[in-house]
Amino acid sequence: NAGVTQTPKFQVLKTGQSMTLQCAQDMNHEYMSWYRQDPGMGLRLIHYSVGAGITDQGEVPNGYNVSRSTTEDFPLRLLSAAPSQTSVYFCASSYGSANEQFFGPGTRLTVL
Amino acid sequence: RKEVEQDPGPFNVPEGATVAFNCTYSNSASQSFFWYRQDCRKEPKLLMSVYSSGNEDGRFTAQLNRASQYISLLIRDSKLSDSATYLCVVNLNNNAGNMLTFGGGTRLMVKP
Repeated sequence: NAGVTQTPKFQVLKTGQSMTLQCAQDMNHEYMSWYRQDPGMGLRLIHYSVGAGITDQGEVPNGYNVSRSTTEDFPLRLLSAAPSQTSVYFCASSYGSANEQFFGPGTRLTVL
Repeated sequence: RKEVEQDPGPFNVPEGATVAFNCTYSNSASQSFFWYRQDCRKEPKLLMSVYSSGNEDGRFTAQLNRASQYISLLIRDSKLSDSATYLCVVNLNNNAGNMLTFGGGTRLMVKP
């Protein structure tokens, strides 16, 4: 099992550009989520999904979109990148929202 | 008040020392508690769940105090390899659903 995979590992964007962070899991988990991690702020939930076709907002959803067309994939789209979105992004999956979360290796994003 | 609070540290201890971290949470209805470990520039990984009666895994002991709303992690006989950031994680059941909330982490540095 590959577990949770994320691509790319690193990305530099200019303000206003859009891009999609990819996330996939092969553990047949229903629950998937996206977090951002900033110094001194801990992990903050951006969006989550309890199953294919269902998504919902977390704590800091503004500027991000998600979709969940399959159980395996949960991409995160930045609509118009801003310097405030410079962060490390982690995707996670689990059997349920209150169960152990398995994290991907992260994407380090810099917005200039 | 943050929903999950931790002393950010760093805790600098010599090899072989015993060190303890505390974490407080705000929602008295929380039911699931975890300690995660995060190495520098890596993803968080589950260290151990925390059970009501307390639990031990080798050199690591986790305790839950529901009355005072805190959980603790005790590390005995610290090793250099224990150097990492330890994240306290609590489930919060609110209007947004039942999901995990992460503390900001406590950094541990074990010195030779």
